[in-house]
Amino acid sequence: QKEVEQNSGPLSVPEGAIASLNCTYSDRGSQSFFWYRQYSGKSPELIMFIYSNGDKEDGRFTAQLNKASQYVSLLIRDSQPSDSATYLCAGGSGYSTLTFGKGTMLLVSP
Amino acid sequence: EAQVTQNPRYLITVTGKKLTVTCSQNMNHEYMSWYRQDPGLGLRQIYYSMNVEVTDKGDVPEGYKVSRKEKRNFPLILESPSPNQTSLYFCASSSPDRGRGETQYFGPGTRLLVL
Repeated sequence: QKEVEQNSGPLSVPEGAIASLNCTYSDRGSQSFFWYRQYSGKSPELIMFIYSNGDKEDGRFTAQLNKASQYVSLLIRDSQPSDSATYLCAGGSGYSTLTFGKGTMLLVSP
Repeated sequence: EAQVTQNPRYLITVTGKKLTVTCSQNMNHEYMSWYRQDPGLGLRQIYYSMNVEVTDKGDVPEGYKVSRKEKRNFPLILESPSPNQTSLYFCASSSPDRGRGETQYFGPGTRLLVL
């Protein structure tokens, strides 16, 4: 069974610090990986996607993918209280097989 | 404005009373999907559709039906709701673009309570 594993948290970081969120996946056929942010009671919104080994940067966010280790991470630099949310990792080999992790709660304290 | 809409946003019903949650997208996306989200269980896919008249089961299809008669609409039907279907439901749509990853757009969610 395809699984995406995340630590449920909460991960607590002070404002301005780097938050590191991690995700592992079981399906070696997975090609694309997505990070979504979800505020309580709201719908998930896409932050980044990555499908090549290495790093991908977008503003304060950096996604990292290591297919050999089946590991995906999201780094948030200069964390802000507004970054406090649940972060969902998702992976798949195509739309029909997109699998979500259960999410990691991030708390950024002022 | 590009969006996915769901109706109703909140619904309280009783066991066995058929209901339909509508989903519509205005982005001409081929792919649409329904998820349910429960505390501690994350997002689980119920059904998905890769185009008009093409639907398939996701991870938790029992007790649900879908149809895709038009590209923009993908209603979720609960023929005989039960309390274990109390959940937060999300509809999502996307367009295949393997060069960039299939970005899924989510609707605002429908919170369902079955008594």
